Amino acid sequence: DTAVSQTPKYLVTQMGNDKSIKCEQNLGHDTMYWYKQDSKKFLKIMFSYNNKELIINETVPNRFSPKSPDKAHLNLHINSLELGDSAVYFCASSLGFSGGTGELFFGEGSRLTVL
Amino acid sequence: GENVEQHPSTLSVQEGDSAVIKCTYSDSASNYFPWYKQELGKRPQLIIDIRSNVGEKKDQRIAVTLNKTAKHFSLHITETQPEDSAVYFCAAEDYKLSFGAGTTVTVRA
Repeated sequence: DTAVSQTPKYLVTQMGNDKSIKCEQNLGHDTMYWYKQDSKKFLKIMFSYNNKELIINETVPNRFSPKSPDKAHLNLHINSLELGDSAVYFCASSLGFSGGTGELFFGEGSRLTVL
Repeated sequence: GENVEQHPSTLSVQEGDSAVIKCTYSDSASNYFPWYKQELGKRPQLIIDIRSNVGEKKDQRIAVTLNKTAKHFSLHITETQPEDSAVYFCAAEDYKLSFGAGTTVTVRA
């Protein structure tokens, strides 16, 4: 009974291609996130949605486009992939937001390799 | 925005010894300070958290202390075991959660 699930776990693709990662949570949380973890393990927030509304967009290139069709799903589409996009992308969810986020529940991560 | 610094970046301890990781933050408005543990190839998971109205919190072998005046907080792991080997992240929240750069802890048997 996975709480936060994301697919695919691995993506290997060529520069210039477009790819998508899907995320779903069954915790009934209102807030979902995308984090990027680079090769140095640094965890950086990219986007956050609260009840389908974008609330955080952290200076991410507009090649990255999140989409939340409902509060249980948050997908990430990446256009024109570059070498520097290689990383592990984590989806996460939390019950609240800002000043009461509480525990973040992370998905297993999607490892993107751009060749 | 919030800036969280974490030290040390790597920490090697003998099994049974204690481990201490320290973090500082910049935004005095931050009021929530969680710690996450990430084992190799796994997702980060919350191990303990503390809010700004509390100075110390303990859960079995792990404890966190917070000094709001100095804007720093620390994670203490006592009686370390091999399964404590992982990357540990501190974080601070003002309007969003900002993570430190992580500490790779290795417990030597």
